[in-house]
Amino acid sequence: GENVEQHPSTLSVQEGDSAVIKCTYSDSASNYFPWYKQELGKGPQLIIDIRSNVGEKKDQRIAVTLNKTAKHFSLHITETQPEDSAVYFCAASYANTGFQKLVFGTGTRLLVSP
Amino acid sequence: DGGITQSPKYLFRKEGQNVTLSCEQNLNHDAMYWYRQDPGQGLRLIYYSQIVNDFQKGDIAEGYSVSREKKESFPLTVTSAQKNPTAFYLCASSGQDAAEAFFGQGTRLTVV
Repeated sequence: GENVEQHPSTLSVQEGDSAVIKCTYSDSASNYFPWYKQELGKGPQLIIDIRSNVGEKKDQRIAVTLNKTAKHFSLHITETQPEDSAVYFCAASYANTGFQKLVFGTGTRLLVSP
Repeated sequence: DGGITQSPKYLFRKEGQNVTLSCEQNLNHDAMYWYRQDPGQGLRLIYYSQIVNDFQKGDIAEGYSVSREKKESFPLTVTSAQKNPTAFYLCASSGQDAAEAFFGQGTRLTVV
């Protein structure tokens, strides 16, 4: 079945540095790739997404890149701030019954130190 | 405010008991989902519903049951058949773009 691998599992950076989280997916038919941020004890919040017809998307300090040939996509956070500390999940869409669902990576715990 | 409301936030269950987790949305979304989250394992799909009065098993449906009698509501029952129910449960919904899912704040279930 569909599988999404996410790396690294933990990432520690200094405030102001950049952070990069990488994911690979297995289903070449996947066409939607969202990223979620989850703070402690809360539900995941959609922060950015990308569709298969574009290679890159930016929203202020965050960006996502997609390489369909290699089947991987990445989240880039620039000028990190302590409030960026959270668990980040990538996901990829799949449709084994004609209905689009999401399969998630195992998460990356990002710690931004002041 | 539009959103997804899960209740309760914390729930304790004795072994052998069934418990029901509530999920309500006022986003007018057709599709709703239940996920289970365990440390280091990401989110795993339990059940999903594309439309009222219809639902499908996800990847880990054993020991769980759902109903979808109203568009706004998708309750999840954790039955005594679920051998390891302690987890964080997340409800989500999506609109016309079925893959674009929005999550509630979760219910943490603990078996005591």
